[in-house]
Amino acid sequence: GEDVEQSLFLSVREGDSSVINCTYTDSSSTYLYWYKQEPGAGLQLLTYIFSNMDMKQDQRLTVLLNKKDKHLSLRIADTQTGDSAIYFCAASSGSARQLTFGSGTQLTVLP
Amino acid sequence: EAEVAQSPRYKITEKSQAVAFWCDPISGHATLYWYRQILGQGPELLVQFQDESVVDDSQLPKDRFSAERLKGVDSTLKIQPAELGDSAMYLCASSKAAEQYFGPGTRLTVT
Repeated sequence: GEDVEQSLFLSVREGDSSVINCTYTDSSSTYLYWYKQEPGAGLQLLTYIFSNMDMKQDQRLTVLLNKKDKHLSLRIADTQTGDSAIYFCAASSGSARQLTFGSGTQLTVLP
Repeated sequence: EAEVAQSPRYKITEKSQAVAFWCDPISGHATLYWYRQILGQGPELLVQFQDESVVDDSQLPKDRFSAERLKGVDSTLKIQPAELGDSAMYLCASSKAAEQYFGPGTRLTVT
């Protein structure tokens, strides 16, 4: 089955850009997602990209997809302290569109 | 903005007791998912419904877990009897197309 991997931790200074990376194994994945989770809360859908796209930009968020290497990244421009959270990468495949999640990257924004 | 509703938000129960969680998806969303999230990990799918039918329950421990969505709208997930290892966050999500939205979750602690 699908396997999704992420680095566990990332620290950045306020105002810098953050880049969170993710790799997946199933080349037939149709959609790739980024979710944000704050302590004790559910998952907030940030953005997603269809597998035939290379890039998607949404305000401060930029998603890059390298389908050949099965590599997905999320760039957050002008990172703020409110961006501190756990970020999950997820891949969906098959007609049922079930999501397989990575273990999450803890982003810490330092003042 | 429509949201996925879940209750209760927190539940403490003793092992061997029964526990139930409720989810109300976003209106018009035919697909409903139950995920379990263990601390420090990403969510893992337990069961997926399309309207009132189960699409996939291959990861649901059927000896103790059951899920239903009788009228194709809200859903209930039950555990009987609860075990210590069931302590986790139980997340409900719903989708209409590619976007999958999560509720706030129910934090279960089994003592």
